[in-house]
Amino acid sequence: AQSVTQLDSQVPVFEEAPVELRCNYSSSVSVYLFWYVQYPNQGLQLLLKYLSGSTLVKGINGFEAEFNKSQTSFHLRKPSVHISDTAEYFCAVSSYNQGGKLIFGQGTELSVKP
Amino acid sequence: EAGVAQSPRYKIIEKRQSVAFWCNPISGHATLYWYQQILGQGPKLLIQFQNNGVVDDSQLPKDRFSAERLKGVDSTLKIQPAKLEDSAVYLCASSLAPQDSYEQYFGPGTRLTVT
Repeated sequence: AQSVTQLDSQVPVFEEAPVELRCNYSSSVSVYLFWYVQYPNQGLQLLLKYLSGSTLVKGINGFEAEFNKSQTSFHLRKPSVHISDTAEYFCAVSSYNQGGKLIFGQGTELSVKP
Repeated sequence: EAGVAQSPRYKIIEKRQSVAFWCNPISGHATLYWYQQILGQGPKLLIQFQNNGVVDDSQLPKDRFSAERLKGVDSTLKIQPAKLEDSAVYLCASSLAPQDSYEQYFGPGTRLTVT
């Protein structure tokens, strides 16, 4: 069975500071990994995804993530955050035999303060 | 391109009542998903359709939840009777095909409160 653990439920950070949101996964097969963002009262929007190839993945809004197979991690980073990045962030995992099914982590609330 | 549409956006009902949610996926998307997102948790897949057939409903509480996708386009999720623990946001998502870039597009969700 697959699972995802987001290590921080809340991350407060000041504007223009760097941020890292941590995600670890568990799977017995090769995985596909995703980060989604959810703004208040909205659905989820895909930030970035890792399917294969380069382990450093760049997404929208200046975010990037690095797939580390040995540490089973897929941490999300941004070098300088903005107030508008305040949202809930979800890490998710899938695999080729899951038919597109996503397993989500519990979410990390990013709060950017001026 | 229009996104995934859901209605209603909010619903308040009493326990033991019934409720239905509607979803219209992005045009041409063959795969449709319903997720339940309880406050403070990540979304959990309830049911996945490929066209009008069910691919995965292993986590759907079938004694009270039902879903259909007639004609392989829009879908309805029903709860009857509702329990307090059903209070959650119900998200609908769609994709071109299950493994087509693995990108799912989400609707805004329906927030259900059961009192």
